[in-house]
Amino acid sequence: ELKVEQNPLFLSMQEGKNYTIYCNYSTTSDRLYWYRQDPGKSLESLFVLLSNGAVKQEGRLMASLDTKARLSTLHITAAVHDLSATYFCAFLTYSGGYNKLIFGAGTRLAVHP
Amino acid sequence: NAGVTQTPKFRVLKTGQSMTLLCAQDMNHEYMYWYRQDPGMGLRLIHYSVGEGTTAKGEVPDGYNVSRLKKQNFLLGLESAAPSQTSVYFCASSYSTFWDSNQPQHFGDGTRLSIL
Repeated sequence: ELKVEQNPLFLSMQEGKNYTIYCNYSTTSDRLYWYRQDPGKSLESLFVLLSNGAVKQEGRLMASLDTKARLSTLHITAAVHDLSATYFCAFLTYSGGYNKLIFGAGTRLAVHP
Repeated sequence: NAGVTQTPKFRVLKTGQSMTLLCAQDMNHEYMYWYRQDPGMGLRLIHYSVGEGTTAKGEVPDGYNVSRLKKQNFLLGLESAAPSQTSVYFCASSYSTFWDSNQPQHFGDGTRLSIL
């Protein structure tokens, strides 16, 4: 079964704290995506991770990929309120005759003072 | 540059009614996709298109039809709406197949559809 498990599904953080969101996926893939979604809005691409050991950083967010463990992480450093959103990971696989993205259920992040 | 535009943004239907959702992209992308997003779940692919005049089924195609008569437009149709189709629908487009590109899909703002 092709699936993605994100945890936690809900995260309430204090401003200034650090935390990590985990994304485990079920089958071999060397392409992992992270998206951000604000309430009532579309998905915004954050990171594309293309190979084992890939690490990308943008501001207070850093994403990494371990293809052997089938694990990606999104690390939040010194959280600020503007990071409040839902974060999705998705991995790319070829199945059923086409390339498809398999999405996790999302991690809803709330950053409070 | 509008990117991916979906119309309408909101719609309420009665069971059994039909409607068409329109997706338009101005990036000259070959690939277009329709997803649905349900509470507590990730996006699931309904149908996709690899070019003008071609469509294919995704994970959850039942109850939907699509057409890609023009490269820039991808239509999603519900012939006889059911309450189980209440969802948020997202259209996306990409320049090429994922496997050849590290570019992610570009998403529209979504259509919130309620079936009573």
